[in-house]
Amino acid sequence: KQEVTQIPAALSVPEGENLVLNCSFTDSAIYNLQWFRQDPGKGLTSLLLIQSSQREQTSGRLNASLDKSSGRSTLYIAASQPGDSATYLCAVPESNTGNQFYFGTGTSLTVIP
Amino acid sequence: GAGVSQSPSNKVTEKGKDVELRCDPISGHTALYWYRQSLGQGLEFLIYFQGNSAPDKSGLPSDRFSAERTGGSVSTLTIQRTQQEDSAVYLCASSLAGLAGGGETQYFGPGTRLLVL
Repeated sequence: KQEVTQIPAALSVPEGENLVLNCSFTDSAIYNLQWFRQDPGKGLTSLLLIQSSQREQTSGRLNASLDKSSGRSTLYIAASQPGDSATYLCAVPESNTGNQFYFGTGTSLTVIP
Repeated sequence: GAGVSQSPSNKVTEKGKDVELRCDPISGHTALYWYRQSLGQGLEFLIYFQGNSAPDKSGLPSDRFSAERTGGSVSTLTIQRTQQEDSAVYLCASSLAGLAGGGETQYFGPGTRLLVL
């Protein structure tokens, strides 16, 4: 069974800093990897989806990279803002059918003004 | 257009009672997923519906859990004889076509927070 791990569990940074969130997975035979954001008391919002053939995806101040062979992905956030404070989750689909997704437990980010 | 909606937003029930949770996916989305998020844990897959195909129920934790999707749209997750360990946030998501390998964005609802006393 695929296992997804996110480190660190929590991160606190001052506004303006660049930061990196890490995601690792045990089965490298993935179709893609997604990064989500979850605000307190709310559902998840998809940030970036990287297909298995891609190395990275960018959206605004966010850049996600994927290294399938090593089972790792990183989410880079540039010039962090207080509004970036949220929990960030990564997820990969199950390798056979892709019907179910395996999520990490998330990194809780706090950006201090 | 409207996003995924779920009701109720919060539900408090007594141990042993049955509960029904509702999900309205985005109009036109053929794939629908239910997940459970327990305190301090990651999201746990429960069940997946894709069009008229038989649902993938491989994530349901026990036979007390069941789900239906009527007319390819609204879905109801039912938990019978609730237990305290069922307390969690139940999230629903939908995607346009449910592509093999999950190669498309899932849109999540705000969740239903269930507390079993």
